[in-house]
Amino acid sequence: DQQVKQNSPSLSVQEGRISILNCDYTNSMFDYFLWYKKYPAEGPTFLISISSIKDKNEDGRFTVFLNKSAKHLSLHIVPSQPGDSAVYFCAASRNTDKLIFGTGTRLQVFP
Amino acid sequence: KAGVTQTPRYLIKTRGQQVTLSCSPISGHRSVSWYQQTPGQGLQFLFEYFSETQRNKGNFPGRFSGRQFSNSRSEMNVSTLELGDSALYLCASSLPVQNSYNEQFFGPGTRLTVL
Repeated sequence: DQQVKQNSPSLSVQEGRISILNCDYTNSMFDYFLWYKKYPAEGPTFLISISSIKDKNEDGRFTVFLNKSAKHLSLHIVPSQPGDSAVYFCAASRNTDKLIFGTGTRLQVFP
Repeated sequence: KAGVTQTPRYLIKTRGQQVTLSCSPISGHRSVSWYQQTPGQGLQFLFEYFSETQRNKGNFPGRFSGRQFSNSRSEMNVSTLELGDSALYLCASSLPVQNSYNEQFFGPGTRLTVL
């Protein structure tokens, strides 16, 4: 039972444009959501998070939006840069419990 | 501060063998979690250890086990290896802080190949 889903396995975006990565979840009890970025041969690194009491969190070029009624969150990267090319995982947690990860979306930013 | 380290980085085993992977968390971190990453499955949670006790467990068979030592270092063991166990095994450490979400810091992983 995949509680966190990333339905797009890959995304290709031109440099300078917006990248939008999507994530859906099924468990309404999740109260914390995170995005991790993973480069090849490295472990995932934390990117940005959002609590369920908020609907938006921004950190530089990265913004995460949370729509609780739709059980959907998205990560916006503006402007996209070639160095953003990586696999992005969304993850969710309930009451500081274990993280449940999605399957990942491979983002490629081309010049 | 040194990051999370995992050894070995690469491992090749044959079916039926057993394997032990090691993880050293960031100094001061007391929680260690293990994940399996396979293509198309994302990161699947294996288990979490805190103060030498297993605190959470994922949906993996009993062939997967782990332990944590008093210095917070952790090992995971897979017995009777199967071809499907070929994956990247990631370890993550966190403080943790009471009643607060605790950011997890990941190691580079151990790439296990089962032939």
